[in-house]
Amino acid sequence: AQKVTQAQTEISVVEKEDVTLDCVYETRDTTYYLFWYKQPPSGELVFLIRRNSFDEQNEISGRYSWNFQKSTSSFNFTITASQVVDSAVYFCALRMDSSYKLIFGSGTRLLVRP
Amino acid sequence: DTGVSQNPRHKITKRGQNVTFRCDPISEHNRLYWYRQTLGQGPEFLTYFQNEAQLEKSRLLSDRFSAERPKGSFSTLEIQRTEQGDSAMYLCASSQGLRVDSYTFGSGTRLTVV
Repeated sequence: AQKVTQAQTEISVVEKEDVTLDCVYETRDTTYYLFWYKQPPSGELVFLIRRNSFDEQNEISGRYSWNFQKSTSSFNFTITASQVVDSAVYFCALRMDSSYKLIFGSGTRLLVRP
Repeated sequence: DTGVSQNPRHKITKRGQNVTFRCDPISEHNRLYWYRQTLGQGPEFLTYFQNEAQLEKSRLLSDRFSAERPKGSFSTLEIQRTEQGDSAMYLCASSQGLRVDSYTFGSGTRLTVV
């Protein structure tokens, strides 16, 4: 069975702190894709990153970085020097190569306090 | 390109009534997806289309739910004989149709069944 687990329901940090959002996935497929989306209060899911299962290279984009480790089936997301505008719900999602549907985790609500 | 557009943004209906939602994808995208999101949960896949063909349906999509994409452009999702458990955010997404796609989501239609 395919599954995505985001064990952190809610995280609260003070502005400028670093914060890591955890994502653990389950799949038996050898080819799959992992995603992170941000959902601000407006409701629209905003695409952040996609990673292929055969590419374990970590990625950095500005204050955002992602750590993909197949050995632990994890795809964690770190925000460095968090800002109030980062406050949102963040979702990790999995897609198998055999299907185009996304399987989402339950999300982590991040609150960045000034 | 105005992104993925969903109408209406909000819908309140009485139990037992039928409702229909519309999704207009990004014009050059040939895949279209419907998801349902309940409070505090991640989006759950309902169905997807490639052009006008409905290629995958979730078991969540009961007999009361039907989706169409008649000309391969906009799509409608109809719920017949609504129940209180149907109250949720209904999200539409579209993608280009590549083997490795990124998905663009709309802002959703929030349905409240009273």
